[in-house]
Amino acid sequence: GAGVSQSPSNKVTEKGKDVELRCDPISGHTALYWYRQSLGQGLEFLIYFQGNSAPDKSGLPSDRFSAERTGGSVSTLTIQRTQQEDSAVYLCASSLAHQTGNTEAFFGQGTRLTVV
Amino acid sequence: AQSVTQLDSQVPVFEEAPVELRCNYSSSVSVYLFWYVQYPNQGLQLLLKYLSGSTLVKSINGFEAEFNKSQTSFHLRKPSVHISDTAEYFCAVSDHVDYKLSFGAGTTVTVRA
Repeated sequence: GAGVSQSPSNKVTEKGKDVELRCDPISGHTALYWYRQSLGQGLEFLIYFQGNSAPDKSGLPSDRFSAERTGGSVSTLTIQRTQQEDSAVYLCASSLAHQTGNTEAFFGQGTRLTVV
Repeated sequence: AQSVTQLDSQVPVFEEAPVELRCNYSSSVSVYLFWYVQYPNQGLQLLLKYLSGSTLVKSINGFEAEFNKSQTSFHLRKPSVHISDTAEYFCAVSDHVDYKLSFGAGTTVTVRA
């Protein structure tokens, strides 16, 4: 497609289960970002990829969170042993270059994760 | 590191009235500034951005924002809103080296007839 695609759009999971969130960036975009939007809060940076490498993982809240990117394209964010505080909307964005001042970051519609 | 404060969480406004959304940031270095909009059931879209040059930047749908370095502000304005402007608006900042966007908590604008 023409835009950033995220799946699933909604996910309800039981506490303690693992979940995988997928992001398909715009074709040709080398930079990919994951953000989290919790209720009543702004968007929180999680991790950034340039190609398949993740030079900045500083926003991942705990070691239960991990992400990978393959083929310089699709990225998967994995949350292990989910907790209720993980409930949020997880947003993916991609851009042509890693400098936000030079190019626009395009966002997907997000995955709404609910941990019950 | 940078941080962003959006002073209003909810702004109700009547159609054709003006609106101003306030945004203040803190940073020890020069910054880029952005406003993103999220319409109901849609993803985030870039509304406008300030990179350099003229401190007044405009969007194609009538919004404008002015970068005020001394007040560390980037307030968003529109002289006459439409029902279709109902959305959540996010102010964001990044420095000239870092690639991460730091977002404010968002302002929900509800336009009523």
